[in-house]
Amino acid sequence: DGGITQSPKYLFRKEGQNVTLSCEQNLNHDAMYWYRQDPGQGLRLIYYSQIVNDFQKGDIAEGYSVSREKKESFPLTVTSAQKNPTAFYLCASSTPGTLPGYTFGSGTRLTVV
Amino acid sequence: AQKVTQAQTEISVVEKEDVTLDCVYETRDTTYYLFWYKQPPSGELVFLIRRNSFDEQNEISGRYSWNFQKSTSSFNFTITASQVVDSAVYFCALSEITGNQFYFGTGTSLTVIP
Repeated sequence: DGGITQSPKYLFRKEGQNVTLSCEQNLNHDAMYWYRQDPGQGLRLIYYSQIVNDFQKGDIAEGYSVSREKKESFPLTVTSAQKNPTAFYLCASSTPGTLPGYTFGSGTRLTVV
Repeated sequence: AQKVTQAQTEISVVEKEDVTLDCVYETRDTTYYLFWYKQPPSGELVFLIRRNSFDEQNEISGRYSWNFQKSTSSFNFTITASQVVDSAVYFCALSEITGNQFYFGTGTSLTVIP
């Protein structure tokens, strides 16, 4: 079955450590996205990539980095520069102009202790 | 600027009651898409509906119905005869016609009490 796989589902890290969240899709979608979800704040865009080897900052990119070396993969690194990294992270993919829109992964809950 | 407002933060209803989730949006685009997503406790966002700005017909899918009114920039979602499985967070979203970026509301948490 086609879909988006995010791993791990739960992640714990010590403050000051970098951590990488995995996102893989087998939908042959061109675009991929990372969102952060905090209680009461909805979803906020961190980074997005429309093609391989290219990506753009979203609304809250500071403290995060991404790469897009393969169409299927869009890993997100939460760096030590991110002041408040504890959150729920959602990855999505789409082919812009193709309906019905985003397909989401099941998310990774990151807790920094 | 694009903006989606879901004024209802939390709603609780008793099973079998009808419930309407409100969504108001702002956009300068003349063409755009509107969406509703459901987020159950498992976390994954599940697509419910997409509506093109040219199509103002209301839509019904089983117990779900959507009322799109361009004149008031609203895209409200009604669940008829609610069930416990409807308990989730529901997000309304707006996208440009290219689909390059979505703008999400803050979500409405619905609890259906048995």
